[in-house]
Amino acid sequence: DTAVSQTPKYLVTQMGNDKSIKCEQNLGHDTMYWYKQDSKKFLKIMFSYNNKELIINETVPNRFSPKSPDKAHLNLHINSLELGDSAVYFCASSQWDRENTIYFGEGSWLTVV
Amino acid sequence: DAKTTQPPSMDCAEGRAANLPCNHSTISGNEYVYWYRQIHSQGPQYIIHGLKNNETNEMASLIITEDRKSSTLILPHATLRDTAVYYCIVRVEGNTGKLIFGQGTTLQVKP
Repeated sequence: DTAVSQTPKYLVTQMGNDKSIKCEQNLGHDTMYWYKQDSKKFLKIMFSYNNKELIINETVPNRFSPKSPDKAHLNLHINSLELGDSAVYFCASSQWDRENTIYFGEGSWLTVV
Repeated sequence: DAKTTQPPSMDCAEGRAANLPCNHSTISGNEYVYWYRQIHSQGPQYIIHGLKNNETNEMASLIITEDRKSSTLILPHATLRDTAVYYCIVRVEGNTGKLIFGQGTTLQVKP
C-alpha cells in the first residue's frame, strides 16, 4: 500500500486553465503538506495543514488554494495556470509530535503550455 | 533552523561504504539532524534522523559529532540504486514541518 499517494502523476494543461491535484495518506497522520520543486530542483514548502487547519502558507499566490476535507486528504487547486507554475508538486504527511518525521508522495508533474 | 553545508557531489564504488558529510556548525540544542534522499524522478525519501546520539536503521547509520556541529550519513554497502541526491536538514524539535532543502550531495554509485 502506498503511504502518500497523489493523482494525477502527470498533467499537461494550457495557460489559463484551472486544475486540481489530489493527495491521500493512509498513515494516520494529522498533518499534511504541499511542497513544490521547480526546474532548478529546489524543494520548497507551500502549505501545511494540521487537523484540517492551515498552519503554513509560504506566500504562495492566491491562485493556489489547498483544501483539506479530512485529515487523510489535502488537495491542491490551481486557478488560471501560468507557465511559471510548471513544476513537480509533492504531497507529504507527518504526525505532529516532537520529531515530526515527514513522508513524501511520488510527485505530480505539472506542465503548463 | 540552522543552515547546513554539504559537498555538491561524491562518487562511491558499488559494495563499498558511502560516507556523506554534513556541516551544521550553528545547530541549536533542540535541533534534530534529518537525512532525506531523492532518487531521480521520485519523491524525497526519509532515511534517518538524530539529536545527539548515533543512530542506525535498516537503511543507514548517522554519526553525529560530540559537539553536534557536523554529522556523517553512512550507507554501509552502497548499491547502484543508492544513486541519488542526499539532503541533510536540521530542524527544531516539534517544528511545524517546514523542511528547508538545500542543494544536497549528488551521490553517484559506480559499478
